[in-house]
Amino acid sequence: AQSVTQPDIHITVSEGASLELRCNYSYGATPYLFWYVQSPGQGLQLLLKYFSGDTLVQGIKGFEAEFKRSQSSFNLRKPSVHWSDAAEYFCAVVGYSGAGSYQLTFGKGTKLSVIP
Amino acid sequence: EADIYQTPRYLVIGTGKKITLECSQTMGHDKMYWYQQDPGMELHLIHYSYGVNSTEKGDLSSESTVSRIRTEHFPLTLESARPSHTSQYLCASSAFSGTVNYGYTFGSGTRLTVV
Repeated sequence: AQSVTQPDIHITVSEGASLELRCNYSYGATPYLFWYVQSPGQGLQLLLKYFSGDTLVQGIKGFEAEFKRSQSSFNLRKPSVHWSDAAEYFCAVVGYSGAGSYQLTFGKGTKLSVIP
Repeated sequence: EADIYQTPRYLVIGTGKKITLECSQTMGHDKMYWYQQDPGMELHLIHYSYGVNSTEKGDLSSESTVSRIRTEHFPLTLESARPSHTSQYLCASSAFSGTVNYGYTFGSGTRLTVV
């Protein structure tokens, strides 16, 4: 079964600073990887996804993520954080769970706070 | 523009009441899911469906039940609500083509409080 680890529970950055949120996954084959953002009391919005091909993927709101197979990582980055980026960020992986079914597994999330 | 709709957004209800959380999607996705998320915590899969008349329980045990009579509709029901059911419930759907996953779309969630 697949798993996702987000090592940082809470990160605080200054507005305008760069950001990197870490995500490590465990899965035996090539994974499908996602980053979602959740604002307080809201549902999840897809930021970006990786299926295959170019290992650097661009997403919405100026985010990007890089898939590194050798490190089993899919870290999310943004060069300059805006106050509106304060939210909870979830990394997720889809893996084959047997009997023709696939399952989406989430990390525990990283809460991002932005200080002016 | 949301393609997956959940109602109600917020619900406060008394213990012992029967409730149904609605989820509908307009994308024609075969696969639909219900996740439960406590405040500040990760999401846990409680139910999923791979098509009409197909429902399965997820990783997290739940006293809720689901049905899938139409492709676009995947309601979740609690026969007798208890305070321990207080949580946020997120509905999602996804599209697959063979082994290719085209991603998951989430609704805005229903925040349930049982008093």
